[in-house]
Amino acid sequence: DAKTTQPPSMDCAEGRAANLPCNHSTISGNEYVYWYRQIHSQGPQYIIHGLKNNETNEMASLIITEDRKSSTLILPHATLRDTAVYYCIVRVAYTGTASKLTFGTGTRLQVTL
Amino acid sequence: DGGITQSPKYLFRKEGQNVTLSCEQNLNHDAMYWYRQDPGQGLRLIYYSQIVNDFQKGDIAEGYSVSREKKESFPLTVTSAQKNPTAFYLCASSIDAVNTEAFFGQGTRLTVV
Repeated sequence: DAKTTQPPSMDCAEGRAANLPCNHSTISGNEYVYWYRQIHSQGPQYIIHGLKNNETNEMASLIITEDRKSSTLILPHATLRDTAVYYCIVRVAYTGTASKLTFGTGTRLQVTL
Repeated sequence: DGGITQSPKYLFRKEGQNVTLSCEQNLNHDAMYWYRQDPGQGLRLIYYSQIVNDFQKGDIAEGYSVSREKKESFPLTVTSAQKNPTAFYLCASSIDAVNTEAFFGQGTRLTVV
């Protein structure tokens, strides 16, 4: 699976949009981009994933650049409960391969009043 | 309710003893994973299993062993050969080992004294 690079920490004011970047310059054409988050001392929680097109769900939006070398997770109206470590992961998309699902160190997002 | 269950939440063991951490899922998922997390660190993959009776080493398998005799169960044994066993252990499962989201348990915090 391709390696990802994320800033170690970010701050965001409550009610504002949180934009979390991820660089995955070595991503292959058959790899998806996944985002998870981990609130302190809990198991990680799936947020969203995408291949080429931008994606949106009830939690967040995922913007993937045209060359797919980077992406941005957007939390449109951050709340204090969004304070967590956010992980960006890339993962193979085709069957027949046991995919490892490798996490990096993530971005620690602190939402403040 | 469907989900993935890890037990116990906290576990204490004396140095030199083997200990087995339980992970059970009733989601009918084929793939299961074990991760280790140390304070302030990301998740590191220990072992993963794509299907019953099959498992593969992750990035830090030394000192650990697993079995996958049943689809719903993927126990992890921390052996006395693991040099620094004290950590937070997370189990996860996904429908398959490819491009699907993973569901995590709440983790087991193991302390070896």
